[in-house]
Amino acid sequence: DAGITQSPRHKVTETGTPVTLRCHQTENHRYMYWYRQDPGHGLRLIHYSYGVKDTDKGEVSDGYSVSRSKTEDFLLTLESATSSQTSVYFCAISESRVRNSGNTIYFGEGSWLTVV
Amino acid sequence: DQQVKQNSPSLSVQEGRISILNCDYTNSMFDYFLWYKKYPAEGPTFLISISSIKDKNEDGRFTVFLNKSAKHLSLHIVPSQPGDSAVYFCAADSGGGADGLTFGKGTHLIIQP
Repeated sequence: DAGITQSPRHKVTETGTPVTLRCHQTENHRYMYWYRQDPGHGLRLIHYSYGVKDTDKGEVSDGYSVSRSKTEDFLLTLESATSSQTSVYFCAISESRVRNSGNTIYFGEGSWLTVV
Repeated sequence: DQQVKQNSPSLSVQEGRISILNCDYTNSMFDYFLWYKKYPAEGPTFLISISSIKDKNEDGRFTVFLNKSAKHLSLHIVPSQPGDSAVYFCAADSGGGADGLTFGKGTHLIIQP
């Protein structure tokens, strides 16, 4: 298993409160990602990072921010949580970016977030 | 607009028979394709992949076929086992950048005893 740890694994929070999810990797991989999984939508990319302090938006980035101050840590912050952000959040990492040789990404175990 | 489509939300197959999961894509820039398997309450795990320069890749009971002209790929599982019951995600990569994979919505495979 890839060395990816997500915390917290489960959280219930109130609407309007800030929430930070943490992803920690021990693989020293360059690329890190945050995805969310929702019924009927599959896995959708929120934000990604291609190096320390280098991040960019994904498909569903509204309402989320990220930071990467160290290679091993990638934080996802919900500035003011809403009920629509109730979801399962997966952190992922990858190493290679060579065309045709693939970008196999490896996922963490997930963080279940409920916004009430 | 969905670039990776898995049109079957669920599929039921008898144990021992072949399971065939299908995936279509629209972006001709995709050059690498992957299948992930996901059990409830766990993260997706990588299963098998194929580069666009190939049309078949095999790993044990799992074979992925790629038809570039039809923009279609399929995952074959032979023989199907009870532990194969899971959600399977098709994913595609366009390479050259760091922007992750594009996933389909998943197919829930149920292996009947």
